[in-house]
This record gives sequence, structure tokens and C-alpha cells, in this order.
Amino acid sequence: DAGITQSPRHKVTETGTPVTLRCHQTENHRYMYWYRQDPGHGLRLIHYSYGVKDTDKGEVSDGYSVSRSKTEDFLLTLESATSSQTSVYFCAISESPIRPKAFFGQGTRLTVV
Amino acid sequence: DQQVKQNSPSLSVQEGRISILNCDYTNSMFDYFLWYKKYPAEGPTFLISISSIKDKNEDGRFTVFLNKSAKHLSLHIVPSQPGDSAVYFCAASATQGGSEKLVFGKGMKLTVNP
Repeated sequence: DAGITQSPRHKVTETGTPVTLRCHQTENHRYMYWYRQDPGHGLRLIHYSYGVKDTDKGEVSDGYSVSRSKTEDFLLTLESATSSQTSVYFCAISESPIRPKAFFGQGTRLTVV
Repeated sequence: DQQVKQNSPSLSVQEGRISILNCDYTNSMFDYFLWYKKYPAEGPTFLISISSIKDKNEDGRFTVFLNKSAKHLSLHIVPSQPGDSAVYFCAASATQGGSEKLVFGKGMKLTVNP
């Protein structure tokens, strides 16, 4: 299994509070991704990173920001959590776009009340 | 607009029979396709992939077929086993287009009955 750790695994937070999810990898892969999984929508890309300090938006990036100050860590921040951001969040890593096989973390279940 | 479509939300088959999972795509730039399997409370795991230069790739009980002209791919599982019961996601990437992103379908739940 690829070395990917997501933390926390579960979180309940209140509407309007900021929340940060962490993804840590030990594979030294250049590319890192944050997805959310919702019923009826599958996996949707929030943000991704193609190197330290290099990030770009995915298809559902509104309300989210990311940072990558080190190769191994990719942080996802919900600036002001809303109930629509209740979801399961997955981090993924990939070696290169030429070999786009991504490895996923175990997921973080976030509930915004 | 969905670029990767899995139009059937679920499939139920008997153990030992063939499972056929279908996927359609709209973006002609896609040139690499993958299937992932996901169990509840776990992250998706890679199953099998195919490049657009091929029309078939086989790995044990799993075979993926690609029909580029129809923009269609399918995953065949033979014989199906109860442990194959999971949600299956089709994904695509435009590697020659310089994209670093995988685009996923909505997933299909496969149930294999003993």
C-alpha cells in the first residue's frame, strides 16, 4: 500500500468554523490531489498540486483552499464550513501525469452541523 | 457536463457469472483509462488500466476493453466472486494533453450474490 495518511479520519464541526484536513505521504510523489465523494456525484476534484507551492483548482474548489509547503504534506482548508461541505474527503497521490495511476488515502469523514 | 459517465448505478450478478461494468466518455483528449474499486469506509484502490493505443488489457479475472470510436470502455470480471462486491469507478486522463488530473465517473455498485 502506498504511504498516505489522512488526518483526522473523522471530524464534526460547526457551520462557520474553519477546518483543515491534512494529507501526508511518504512516497515522494510529485502530484497530490483532494477529492470529495458524495452520493450521486462520485469523486470530484477539489484542488491539486503539481509541486511544492504549486497548486491549481479542480471542478469544485469554491469554499476551499490548499497549501503545500513540503513535498510530503498537502493541506485542505475549509475557510468557513457549510453544511454542503459535509462529505467524505480523499487525498490521492500520483507519480506523474504520464503514469496517472493515483493512490488514495483512507478518507476523512467531515460533518458540518 | 459530465465527461465520464457510468450510467448504471448498480449491478447484481450471481457468483461465478460474468460482471460487465460500462463507462462512456465525451472528451476525445482522454487517452488513459483506469478502473478503481472501493469498499465502504476505505479509499478507492486501483484495479486495472488501459492506454488508448490498446483495445484490451487483462489482469487475472479482470479485463478492460476500450472502443475508441464509440468512446466506450467496459470492465469484465470473470468469474465474479462475493468479494468483488464494491463500488467501481471509471476514470480517465488526457496524458498527452498535459493534464495532471483524473476525471471520475459517479461509480457503480456491484453486488455478487453467493
